[in-house]
Amino acid sequence: NAGVTQTPKFRILKIGQSMTLQCTQDMNHNYMYWYRQDPGMGLKLIYYSVGAGITDKGEVPNGYNVSRSTTEDFPLRLELAAPSQTSVYFCASSSTGRGGELFFGEGSRLTVL
Amino acid sequence: GENVEQHPSTLSVQEGDSAVIKCTYSDSASNYFPWYKQELGKRPQLIIDIRSNVGEKKDQRIAVTLNKTAKHFSLHITETQPEDSAVYFCAASINQAGTALIFGKGTTLSVSS
Repeated sequence: NAGVTQTPKFRILKIGQSMTLQCTQDMNHNYMYWYRQDPGMGLKLIYYSVGAGITDKGEVPNGYNVSRSTTEDFPLRLELAAPSQTSVYFCASSSTGRGGELFFGEGSRLTVL
Repeated sequence: GENVEQHPSTLSVQEGDSAVIKCTYSDSASNYFPWYKQELGKRPQLIIDIRSNVGEKKDQRIAVTLNKTAKHFSLHITETQPEDSAVYFCAASINQAGTALIFGKGTTLSVSS
């Protein structure tokens, strides 16, 4: 049981490039989330999904896109990377939307230069 | 939308002292309030949570209190130990269904021996 797996762990992008952060979970959780963490700013919700085929915007969705074609996978797409997207990205999942524990991946550190 | 304020941003205590971290939230529909601990370079992990129908919850050295009327909740750690040193995040559910969490900016707790 691997839990929540994110790839890559580290990535350096040039301004204007695009990339996808992968997230997969093997706990059959319906609820999945993407957060970004900047120093002193806590965890900001980017997008979330309550099940396959359903996604919704969080606090800071601009510059990102998501899809949820399966229960297991919730990739985060960065289009036209900007320095402001330099951050640590965490994917998380939960078995219940009614106030359940979030299980986080190890994080992906992205630098945009 | 939901807004969560957390204070203080840093807290230094001596081993054996108590530590208190306070959070306020804005959405009266929020009904789930977890606390996460993040050690340096690690992923956030749930340490305790409370729901809106409960005023206080304890788990060994940690406790959480909730005042729904004032819309604030607090984390109390007693008999602090060096291994309690970490960043602590409070969070609140974004709506009554609790489908996602909004986090505070975090408190860096340092426990010196």
